[in-house]
Amino acid sequence: GAGVSQSPRYKVAKRGQDVALRCDPISGHVSLFWYQQALGQGPEFLTYFQNEAQLDKSGLPSDRFFAERPEGSVSTLKIQRTQQEDSAVYLCASSLAGYNEQFFGPGTRLTVL
Amino acid sequence: TQLLEQSPQFLSIQEGENLTVYCNSSSVFSSLQWYRQEPGEGPVLLVTVVTGGEVKKLKRLTFQFGDARKDSSLHITAAQTGDTGLYLCAGRSFGNEKLTFGTGTRLTIIP
Repeated sequence: GAGVSQSPRYKVAKRGQDVALRCDPISGHVSLFWYQQALGQGPEFLTYFQNEAQLDKSGLPSDRFFAERPEGSVSTLKIQRTQQEDSAVYLCASSLAGYNEQFFGPGTRLTVL
Repeated sequence: TQLLEQSPQFLSIQEGENLTVYCNSSSVFSSLQWYRQEPGEGPVLLVTVVTGGEVKKLKRLTFQFGDARKDSSLHITAAQTGDTGLYLCAGRSFGNEKLTFGTGTRLTIIP
């Protein structure tokens, strides 16, 4: 498939554990976005990459959240010392360039117990 | 904090009826998009409106962008069960690549 893929699709973590969520964007897409979607809510912006450069991380809720895209393709969102309030679906989206249509992956549903 | 308020939050209507979903903000947006999201999937883009006052029609769906670029509406004519889903509006501010999503409207069409 040529769409955005995310892994794992589901993740259960105990409070205090670290987790890493992976996003494989559409090949050739320069821009990559991470969003957090709480149950029953619309997605909220976390961070944005243009190639390997993280241009906006204003939506990251705390310093426990860290994202990287070292080679300008695959991206990883890492959450350290997970808390129950981190439970949500984490969506990744990619686009040809920042202002083009964003294509979303299926998301990773994180549950923190 | 979500700057785009959608109403209603939940809507359940009979197949064949018409409906309108509203998306309102106090902020001005350079463009506004509407998405539909199915359970277990990411949002899928339906339409982008970029000009104040713009109206776009896609089959039974009509989208309108307010003159002041602060609000939008989605009207569905003769709803079908396949229209069931979570409808999200999302705005993009001038000079900003990120999307600000609305609170969502969960639509259920009853056969």
